[in-house]
Amino acid sequence: EDKVVQSPLSLVVHEGDTVTLNCSYEVTNFRSLLWYKQEKKAPTFLFMLTSSGIEKKSGRLSSILDKKELFSILNITATQTGDSAVYLCALPRGVNTGTASKLTFGTGTRLQVTL
Amino acid sequence: GAVVSQHPSRVICKSGTSVKIECRSLDFQATTMFWYRQFPKKSLMLMATSNEGSKATYEQGVEKDKFLINHASLTLSTLTVTSAHPEDSSFYICSASPAGIGNIQYFGAGTRLSVL
Repeated sequence: EDKVVQSPLSLVVHEGDTVTLNCSYEVTNFRSLLWYKQEKKAPTFLFMLTSSGIEKKSGRLSSILDKKELFSILNITATQTGDSAVYLCALPRGVNTGTASKLTFGTGTRLQVTL
Repeated sequence: GAVVSQHPSRVICKSGTSVKIECRSLDFQATTMFWYRQFPKKSLMLMATSNEGSKATYEQGVEKDKFLINHASLTLSTLTVTSAHPEDSSFYICSASPAGIGNIQYFGAGTRLSVL
């Protein structure tokens, strides 16, 4: 059975701090790793990672994948209160059939950024 | 990114009534959509996979007669919670994947259902 484990489960930081969120996985057939941000509503897509060592970046957020260690990190620099959310890591299940795949989600990391 | 619209965002209903939730892909076609349920402070739980033109496939433990799914077109899937009871109160979220975008699922804004 595929497993996705995120750490820490929750985190409280001060505005301006840098945070690193972790995602480790065990899947039968790796295709990609996805990061989402969930505030009060549904998750919004952040990054898709498929190759080791290639950093994806969007503003103050960046993410990188290590397929040897089965691990990904999501970094947020100069955090702001608007970064407060649950960050979810997810991996598609099974082999690529050409149709949309089910996702296995981690439990998420709840980040709170305080003033 | 691709846009998925979900409606309504909030429903309050009496026990025994049925509630329909719509999920639309606004700028792409989706032969497959997914329906999730989320409890407070928990991760998303996949309920079913909605397939255009065919029957939905349900995850283990999800009652198909309770949660009716219809995927009538390439841009619309509906979830009907039949004879809702207070234990059905939850946050329901749909998602869809555009063809050719790999495995990214784009989510609707979710529907918060409260059954009194």
